[in-house]
Parts: sequence; C-alpha cells; structure tokens
Amino acid sequence: DIQMTQSPSSLSASVGDRVTITCRASQGISNYLAWYQQKPGKVPKLLIYAASTLQSGVPSRFSGSGSGTDFTLTISSLQPEDVATYYCQKYNSAPPGRVTFGPGTKVDIK
Amino acid sequence: QVQLVQSGAEVKKPGASVKVSCKASGYTFTSYDINWVRQATGQGLEWMGWMNPNSGNTGYAQKFQGRVTMTRNTSISTAYMELSSLRSEDTAVYYCARGVRIAAAGTATTYYYYMDVWGKGTTVTVSS
Repeated sequence: DIQMTQSPSSLSASVGDRVTITCRASQGISNYLAWYQQKPGKVPKLLIYAASTLQSGVPSRFSGSGSGTDFTLTISSLQPEDVATYYCQKYNSAPPGRVTFGPGTKVDIK
Repeated sequence: QVQLVQSGAEVKKPGASVKVSCKASGYTFTSYDINWVRQATGQGLEWMGWMNPNSGNTGYAQKFQGRVTMTRNTSISTAYMELSSLRSEDTAVYYCARGVRIAAAGTATTYYYYMDVWGKGTTVTVSS
C-alpha cells in the first residue's frame, strides 16, 4: 500500500511569509493528489485537486505543484486566517478504490 | 446550496453499534459518491470508505472491513454509515463528504478523486 508522509509536521511563520508544505508518496502517484485545509474546530475544506488545480473560491495565494512522489502546497503570503492543519490526500484507483490522507501539517503564526 | 446535513451526537456503550445519517441537498444525490471520514480529538483525518449512491457499491478501508456498512436511501437522498462492535478508540467526529471522481484523460480505469463538500460532523462517544 502506498504511504503518504508530510513535512514538516508543524511550522510557525510570520504574516506575509512564503510557506511551503511537502507531501511525499512512497510510490509514484502521477498527479492524483488533493490538499485540504482544516481550521481549528472546523470542517476540512478542499483547496487543491489534481495536484495543482485550485478549487473554486480558494484564494490565489494557495498553489500546489508536483508529480510522481513529491508534492508541495505553497502559501505565497501567509495570512492570519491561514492558521490551520493541512492534509494531502491520494486515491488508489485499483478496485475497490481507496483514499489515504497524509498525517497533516499544522501551520501557526509566529 | 449544496450541503450535507448529518444526524446528531451519539453516546454508545462498548460492543454496541452506531448508525450515522447524512442527508444531501442542492445536487443530484446519485451523481456523486459519499465518503465517511473520522477524526479523533487532536488526531488527523482517517478515511473509512465510500459509497456510490447510484449503484450502492462500496469501498471500505481495510481497517474497517467487517465492521462498517455504508448504505443509502435514494428516495430521501440520505446516506448511512453503521459501525459495529464499538470500542473506546472509535470515539471521534464522523464526517460525510461528497466524493468527486474524474477519469484521467486517456484512461478508463484511473481517476482523480477528491471531496468537495463536507458535513459538519457527528460526534460519537463510546463509553461504559
């Protein structure tokens, strides 16, 4: 089974900083990757799918890139409302079809 | 607007079962999967399985095989997740989420898959 890891597990950055979160798959998964944001006490929210496609309504400071085994989520200018835990998610199309979430990266304001 | 409305909090004893509902509105219920994802306090997201409301087909995480059952009632656009043989470790918030499945270009067997609409969650507490 393909495992997902994320790094760092947590980070603190200043408002306006560029923040990069990495998600790594143990085997190549092309670009079959999504990213979610979960603010404290809130429901997860889809940010990006197909590794780099921004979901409608998501601010343009969020971007995703990568293919194969290494993926990144970038926040170009960190805002206070971006304090959250970010999860990557892959899908294995082989029947019956299984979803795996990464362990998450917690982002705080310094 | 598109939304998923989940049933209320549950308190169960170890060994019992729980059945959580998820009512869809604002879209064609049979056109998208329903996934179930749980989250224990302070922990990450744990995917439990998906169900295709049109066919009733399901796919479960190996961890929950034999203990979880996902069903639906299309006449009322509602999906259900039943978890049996509950133990304290099953105490968590249970979310339903709409699954979008898009075939990758040039293939009929490989898909992009993501969850674009989430319910507010149902807290299930397992305690003696």
